[in-house]
Amino acid sequence: EAGVAQSPRYKIIEKRQSVAFWCNPISGHATLYWYQQILGQGPKLLIQFQNNGVVDDSQLPKDRFSAERLKGVDSTLKIQPAKLEDSAVYLCASSLVGGGPNEQFFGPGTRLTVL
Amino acid sequence: QKEVEQNSGPLSVPEGAIASLNCTYSDRGSQSFFWYRQYSGKSPELIMFIYSNGDKEDGRFTAQLNKASQYVSLLIRDSQPSDSATYLCAVSEEYGNKLVFGAGTILRVKS
Repeated sequence: EAGVAQSPRYKIIEKRQSVAFWCNPISGHATLYWYQQILGQGPKLLIQFQNNGVVDDSQLPKDRFSAERLKGVDSTLKIQPAKLEDSAVYLCASSLVGGGPNEQFFGPGTRLTVL
Repeated sequence: QKEVEQNSGPLSVPEGAIASLNCTYSDRGSQSFFWYRQYSGKSPELIMFIYSNGDKEDGRFTAQLNKASQYVSLLIRDSQPSDSATYLCAVSEEYGNKLVFGAGTILRVKS
């Protein structure tokens, strides 16, 4: 079974530039998550999708971050414009269904450096 | 603000010893509790989850939950150098899979 795929793996940009990350979840997984993990901290949920609908985006900085999950499969996370404090690893995860202690499977992450 | 607290460590134990990792959480509504292992530069991987008071054992790992004290722990028996990693505690509400993570405890197993 293929795991969660993410690209790019690394990205370096200057502040005020824009950047986009892509995630392809495990086949059949209805729920998709984007997390931000700053060095030395645990992952923080940015947004949760159930199929192509948003379940929770309460911690997404909506003035600069946006995310979509077209057709309930792949997802993209965009930052525009980027700030220095956005430097982090962006993790995508997926699970079978939302609700209950279903295991979340994480992708390898995208390491973003904002200069 | 729901919080999950962990001692950042590092926790150093000799090979073959028992490693004890602890976590406290602030939200009394939390129902499910997870331990993830994260190697340096890698993504988190689930070790085990628990949602009933008491102990749950899986191989060398035992998770312990005390909801009254809002405390969850992970014991690793016969620790191996390959167990050296950051261990993340995460909690979620009963409905929905939103996880709140702690900052993690660094474990170092010395051979």
